[in-house]
Amino acid sequence: SQTIHQWPATLVQPVGSPLSLECTVEGTSNPNLYWYRQAAGRGLQLLFYSVGIGQISSEVPQNLSASRPQDRQFILSSKKLLLSDSGFYLCAWSLPGTGRRYEQYFGPGTRLTVT
Amino acid sequence: AQRVTQPEKLLSVFKGAPVELKCNYSYSGSPELFWYVQYSRQRLQLLLRHISRESIKGFTADLNKGETSFHLKKPFAQEEDSAMYYCALQAGAGSYQLTFGKGTKLSVIP
Repeated sequence: SQTIHQWPATLVQPVGSPLSLECTVEGTSNPNLYWYRQAAGRGLQLLFYSVGIGQISSEVPQNLSASRPQDRQFILSSKKLLLSDSGFYLCAWSLPGTGRRYEQYFGPGTRLTVT
Repeated sequence: AQRVTQPEKLLSVFKGAPVELKCNYSYSGSPELFWYVQYSRQRLQLLLRHISRESIKGFTADLNKGETSFHLKKPFAQEEDSAMYYCALQAGAGSYQLTFGKGTKLSVIP
């Protein structure tokens, strides 16, 4: 069966420090991968998605970047964190192809606090 | 751009009472609508989608294009229904983006 992992679970970082959040999926090949952010009092916002290695699409301009160095690995990064980057970050995957992109499977999330 | 609105942050009902979680959307095209649910200490997961017209755990949702709504209903609430519910919109089957509402916390009082 498929499993999605995210780490760390919680992170407290000072403003201006770098960020690296990692997400890995097991049990499937060539999944579509997604990074979402949920800021306090707001809904889930799609940040990036990827349909394959090295293929990243960004939905909103921001201080963050994403990379997909391997088929089932998705990384969210920042060179210098801002206070506004605080939030709950969720990684998700869906089956490849066009049929079931809506059925997304979510990881446990990372709570990031920028101080 | 598309938008999903869930007007209630919190909804409390008694066990056995009917439940209706409201969802309204704005989108100029033909959307696909979904409900996701997150139970306590569990991950966010798909509950149901409008196109399948199915009933999951006793919940149903009908897409009303005239009122641009996709309300989630259940005739008799159970304690295990207590969870956070999110309405989501996919802007066409070819879109990778799901637009989520802010969510409604359902609390079923025993």
